[in-house]
Amino acid sequence: GAVVSQHPSRVICKSGTSVKIECRSLDFQATTMFWYRQFPKKSLMLMATSNEGSKATYEQGVEKDKFLINHASLTLSTLTVTSAHPEDSSFYICSAAQGAGSQPQHFGDGTRLSIL
Amino acid sequence: RKEVEQDPGPFNVPEGATVAFNCTYSNSASQSFFWYRQDCRKEPKLLMSVYSSGNEDGRFTAQLNRASQYISLLIRDSKLSDSATYLCAVNSRASSASKIIFGSGTRLSIRP
Repeated sequence: GAVVSQHPSRVICKSGTSVKIECRSLDFQATTMFWYRQFPKKSLMLMATSNEGSKATYEQGVEKDKFLINHASLTLSTLTVTSAHPEDSSFYICSAAQGAGSQPQHFGDGTRLSIL
Repeated sequence: RKEVEQDPGPFNVPEGATVAFNCTYSNSASQSFFWYRQDCRKEPKLLMSVYSSGNEDGRFTAQLNRASQYISLLIRDSKLSDSATYLCAVNSRASSASKIIFGSGTRLSIRP
Protein backbone atom coordinates (compact mmCIF):
# COMPACT_ATOMS: atom_id res chain seq x y z
CA GLY A 1 0.00 0.00 0.00
CA ALA A 2 0.90 3.64 -0.25
CA VAL A 3 3.50 4.73 2.27
CA VAL A 4 4.05 8.23 3.57
CA SER A 5 7.06 8.95 5.73
CA GLN A 6 7.19 11.92 8.06
CA HIS A 7 10.29 13.09 9.87
CA PRO A 8 11.09 13.82 12.63
CA SER A 9 8.58 12.01 14.78
CA ARG A 10 9.35 14.01 17.90
CA VAL A 11 10.82 17.45 18.44
CA ILE A 12 11.49 19.26 21.69
CA CYS A 13 13.05 22.69 21.39
CA LYS A 14 13.27 26.12 22.92
CA SER A 15 10.92 28.97 22.17
CA GLY A 16 12.06 30.98 19.16
CA THR A 17 13.49 28.01 17.29
CA SER A 18 12.36 27.23 13.76
CA VAL A 19 11.46 23.61 13.11
CA LYS A 20 11.29 21.86 9.75
CA ILE A 21 9.14 18.78 9.22
CA GLU A 22 9.47 16.61 6.13
CA CYS A 23 6.78 14.56 4.47
CA ARG A 24 7.71 12.05 1.78
CA SER A 25 5.62 9.75 -0.33
CA LEU A 26 7.83 6.68 -0.68
CA ASP A 27 6.20 4.59 -3.35
CA PHE A 28 3.97 6.95 -5.28
CA GLN A 29 3.94 10.45 -6.65
CA ALA A 30 1.80 12.87 -4.72
CA THR A 31 0.62 15.89 -6.63
CA THR A 32 -1.08 17.16 -3.51
CA MET A 33 -0.02 16.95 0.10
CA PHE A 34 -1.89 18.22 3.11
CA TRP A 35 -0.72 19.48 6.46
CA TYR A 36 -2.84 19.04 9.56
CA ARG A 37 -2.51 20.00 13.18
CA GLN A 38 -4.18 18.16 16.01
CA PHE A 39 -4.37 19.34 19.61
CA PRO A 40 -5.03 16.78 22.37
CA LYS A 41 -8.50 15.23 22.14
CA LYS A 42 -9.36 17.51 19.24
CA SER A 43 -9.99 16.95 15.59
CA LEU A 44 -7.50 17.08 12.77
CA MET A 45 -7.48 20.65 11.53
CA LEU A 46 -6.36 21.23 7.98
CA MET A 47 -3.70 23.91 7.88
CA ALA A 48 -2.82 24.02 4.21
CA THR A 49 -2.92 22.20 0.92
CA SER A 50 0.39 21.86 -0.82
CA ASN A 51 0.68 21.41 -4.56
CA GLU A 52 3.92 20.49 -6.25
CA GLY A 53 5.55 23.46 -7.90
CA SER A 54 3.10 26.07 -6.70
CA LYS A 55 2.28 28.05 -3.59
CA ALA A 56 0.41 26.34 -0.83
CA THR A 57 -3.22 27.17 -0.13
CA TYR A 58 -3.69 28.06 3.52
CA GLU A 59 -6.86 27.64 5.52
CA GLN A 60 -8.44 30.63 7.16
CA GLY A 61 -6.65 31.64 10.32
CA VAL A 62 -3.37 29.91 9.46
CA GLU A 63 -0.48 32.34 9.08
CA LYS A 64 1.46 31.57 5.95
CA ASP A 65 4.50 33.46 7.19
CA LYS A 66 4.49 31.41 10.36
CA PHE A 67 4.01 28.05 8.71
CA LEU A 68 6.15 27.91 5.60
CA ILE A 69 5.34 25.13 3.18
CA ASN A 70 7.51 24.01 0.31
CA HIS A 71 6.52 21.29 -2.14
CA ALA A 72 9.55 21.06 -4.36
CA SER A 73 8.95 17.62 -5.86
CA LEU A 74 6.21 15.06 -6.31
CA THR A 75 7.49 13.11 -3.33
CA LEU A 76 8.49 15.75 -0.80
CA SER A 77 6.74 18.54 1.04
CA THR A 78 8.16 20.39 4.03
CA LEU A 79 6.52 22.44 6.76
CA THR A 80 8.64 24.92 8.68
CA VAL A 81 7.27 26.34 11.89
CA THR A 82 9.13 29.61 12.17
CA SER A 83 10.05 31.10 15.55
CA ALA A 84 7.99 28.49 17.35
CA HIS A 85 6.33 29.33 20.67
CA PRO A 86 4.72 27.10 23.30
CA GLU A 87 1.28 27.60 21.76
CA ASP A 88 2.60 25.96 18.58
CA SER A 89 3.11 22.73 20.49
CA SER A 90 0.91 20.18 18.79
CA PHE A 91 0.78 17.01 16.72
CA TYR A 92 1.49 17.86 13.08
CA ILE A 93 0.49 15.31 10.47
CA CYS A 94 0.96 15.32 6.73
CA SER A 95 -0.94 13.32 4.20
CA ALA A 96 -0.56 12.66 0.52
CA ALA A 97 -3.21 11.98 -2.05
CA GLN A 98 -2.45 9.26 -4.51
CA GLY A 99 -5.41 9.61 -6.81
CA ALA A 100 -7.49 12.35 -8.32
CA GLY A 101 -9.74 14.46 -6.15
CA SER A 102 -7.42 14.20 -3.16
CA GLN A 103 -8.71 10.81 -2.13
CA PRO A 104 -8.02 8.67 -0.34
CA GLN A 105 -5.36 10.29 1.75
CA HIS A 106 -2.45 8.38 3.24
CA PHE A 107 -1.01 9.81 6.41
CA GLY A 108 2.51 10.13 7.69
CA ASP A 109 3.29 9.03 11.23
CA GLY A 110 2.98 12.55 12.55
CA THR A 111 5.40 14.84 14.36
CA ARG A 112 4.89 15.67 17.99
CA LEU A 113 6.24 19.16 18.54
CA SER A 114 6.90 20.46 22.03
CA ILE A 115 8.12 24.02 22.48
CA LEU A 116 9.53 24.82 25.90
CA ARG B 1 -22.08 25.08 12.32
CA LYS B 2 -19.16 22.72 11.75
CA GLU B 3 -18.83 21.28 8.29
CA VAL B 4 -18.55 17.75 9.65
CA GLU B 5 -19.98 16.79 13.02
CA GLN B 6 -19.71 13.66 15.11
CA ASP B 7 -20.80 12.61 18.56
CA PRO B 8 -17.52 12.69 20.52
CA GLY B 9 -18.55 9.82 22.76
CA PRO B 10 -17.00 8.06 24.48
CA PHE B 11 -18.86 4.90 23.68
CA ASN B 12 -18.08 2.21 26.20
CA VAL B 13 -19.46 -1.18 25.17
CA PRO B 14 -18.76 -4.81 26.06
CA GLU B 15 -16.84 -7.08 23.77
CA GLY B 16 -19.12 -8.67 21.20
CA ALA B 17 -21.56 -5.78 21.13
CA THR B 18 -22.69 -3.97 18.02
CA VAL B 19 -22.00 -0.26 17.96
CA ALA B 20 -22.98 2.42 15.46
CA PHE B 21 -21.62 5.89 14.82
CA ASN B 22 -23.19 8.67 12.83
CA CYS B 23 -21.62 11.66 11.21
CA THR B 24 -23.38 14.60 9.58
CA TYR B 25 -22.03 16.95 6.97
CA SER B 26 -23.27 20.36 5.90
CA ASN B 27 -22.02 20.67 2.33
CA SER B 28 -24.54 19.02 0.05
CA ALA B 29 -22.00 19.10 -2.78
CA SER B 30 -19.67 16.75 -0.92
CA GLN B 31 -18.62 13.91 -3.15
CA SER B 32 -16.59 11.39 -1.20
CA PHE B 33 -16.83 10.02 2.28
CA PHE B 34 -14.51 8.00 4.46
CA TRP B 35 -14.09 6.49 7.88
CA TYR B 36 -10.67 6.62 9.51
CA ARG B 37 -9.44 5.00 12.68
CA GLN B 38 -6.99 6.79 14.95
CA ASP B 39 -5.25 5.15 17.86
CA CYS B 40 -3.95 7.25 20.73
CA ARG B 41 -1.02 9.46 19.69
CA LYS B 42 -0.92 7.89 16.23
CA GLU B 43 -1.81 9.01 12.74
CA PRO B 44 -5.25 8.24 11.27
CA LYS B 45 -5.52 5.14 9.14
CA LEU B 46 -8.13 4.69 6.45
CA LEU B 47 -10.72 2.18 7.60
CA MET B 48 -13.03 2.28 4.60
CA SER B 49 -14.50 4.50 1.96
CA VAL B 50 -18.26 4.99 2.00
CA TYR B 51 -20.16 4.34 -1.21
CA SER B 52 -23.64 5.46 -2.11
CA SER B 53 -25.00 1.93 -2.09
CA GLY B 54 -23.42 1.15 1.25
CA ASN B 55 -20.51 -1.19 1.68
CA GLU B 56 -19.29 -3.85 4.03
CA ASP B 57 -15.85 -5.03 5.01
CA GLY B 58 -15.94 -7.90 7.44
CA ARG B 59 -17.49 -6.70 10.67
CA PHE B 60 -17.68 -3.12 9.44
CA THR B 61 -20.56 -1.65 7.45
CA ALA B 62 -20.65 1.90 6.15
CA GLN B 63 -23.69 3.68 4.78
CA LEU B 64 -24.39 7.02 3.18
CA ASN B 65 -27.63 8.94 3.28
CA ARG B 66 -27.34 11.87 0.89
CA ALA B 67 -30.84 13.15 1.51
CA SER B 68 -30.19 13.57 5.21
CA GLN B 69 -26.49 14.26 4.74
CA TYR B 70 -25.10 11.72 7.09
CA ILE B 71 -22.84 8.71 7.00
CA SER B 72 -22.76 5.85 9.44
CA LEU B 73 -20.40 3.14 10.56
CA LEU B 74 -21.60 -0.08 12.14
CA ILE B 75 -19.23 -2.41 13.94
CA ARG B 76 -20.53 -5.88 14.68
CA ASP B 77 -19.10 -8.37 17.16
CA SER B 78 -16.76 -5.74 18.54
CA LYS B 79 -13.28 -6.75 19.65
CA LEU B 80 -11.02 -5.25 22.28
CA SER B 81 -8.74 -4.17 19.43
CA ASP B 82 -11.51 -2.01 18.01
CA SER B 83 -10.94 0.50 20.82
CA ALA B 84 -9.87 3.70 19.09
CA THR B 85 -11.17 7.02 17.87
CA TYR B 86 -13.17 6.85 14.65
CA LEU B 87 -13.06 9.87 12.38
CA CYS B 88 -15.43 10.51 9.55
CA ALA B 89 -14.05 12.49 6.64
CA VAL B 90 -15.81 14.27 3.83
CA ASN B 91 -14.36 15.49 0.58
CA SER B 92 -15.21 19.15 0.15
CA ARG B 93 -14.60 21.14 -2.92
CA ALA B 94 -13.89 24.84 -2.46
CA SER B 95 -13.32 26.79 -5.66
CA SER B 96 -10.76 24.79 -7.61
CA ALA B 97 -9.36 22.96 -4.63
CA SER B 98 -10.46 19.65 -3.23
CA LYS B 99 -9.82 18.91 0.39
CA ILE B 100 -10.98 16.53 3.05
CA ILE B 101 -12.60 17.78 6.22
CA PHE B 102 -12.51 15.58 9.30
CA GLY B 103 -15.01 15.27 12.07
CA SER B 104 -13.77 15.59 15.62
CA GLY B 105 -13.90 11.83 16.09
CA THR B 106 -15.89 9.42 18.22
CA ARG B 107 -14.02 7.58 20.94
CA LEU B 108 -14.83 3.92 21.30
CA SER B 109 -13.76 1.80 24.23
CA ILE B 110 -14.45 -1.95 24.24
CA ARG B 111 -14.42 -3.59 27.64
CA PRO B 112 -13.84 -7.31 28.27
